[in-house]
Amino acid sequence: SQTIHQWPATLVQPVGSPLSLECTVEGTSNPNLYWYRQAAGRGLQLLFYSVGIGQISSEVPQNLSASRPQDRQFILSSKKLLLSDSGFYLCAWSSSFEAFFGQGTRLTVV
Amino acid sequence: AQSVTQPDIHITVSEGASLELRCNYSYGATPYLFWYVQSPGQGLQLLLKYFSGDTLVQGIKGFEAEFKRSQSSFNLRKPSVHWSDAAEYFCAVGASRGSTLGRLYFGRGTQLTVWP
Repeated sequence: SQTIHQWPATLVQPVGSPLSLECTVEGTSNPNLYWYRQAAGRGLQLLFYSVGIGQISSEVPQNLSASRPQDRQFILSSKKLLLSDSGFYLCAWSSSFEAFFGQGTRLTVV
Repeated sequence: AQSVTQPDIHITVSEGASLELRCNYSYGATPYLFWYVQSPGQGLQLLLKYFSGDTLVQGIKGFEAEFKRSQSSFNLRKPSVHWSDAAEYFCAVGASRGSTLGRLYFGRGTQLTVWP
């Protein structure tokens, strides 16, 4: 069966520090991969979307970047975190017509 | 552009009462529609989905939703709410990309509180 792993679960980082969140999928090949950010009362904002290795679509301009070095690995990064980067980050994958989510990473920038 | 509106930010119901969560979408073609539920600090779990066919779809945990094209709506319903249903609910609309799901856009969510 397909599973999605996202880590770490929680992270506290100082302003200006780098960020790397990793997401891996098992049990499927060539999935579409997504990074969402969830801020309180604002729903889920699609940050990045990837349909294949090295193919990244950015939905909104921001302080973050994404990479897909392997078929089932999706990484969210930042060189220098801002306070406004705090939030709950969710990785998701889809194939066929359903999307499945990881358990999320709670990022607090202090 | 695709968008999803959930007009109710917070709904409170008594246990055993019926529930309807509203969702309206804007999409230029036949939409793929979803309802997800999120417990605090957790990821999202799919409740149900609509792609085509019967406009009344059944999901897990006793939930159902009805697709009404004329109203661009996909409201979620449950005849009798349980205390364990307290959570945040998200409606989403997806685009097709060939034989797979493409981008998935979410509403802002509706927080459900259940009184005992």
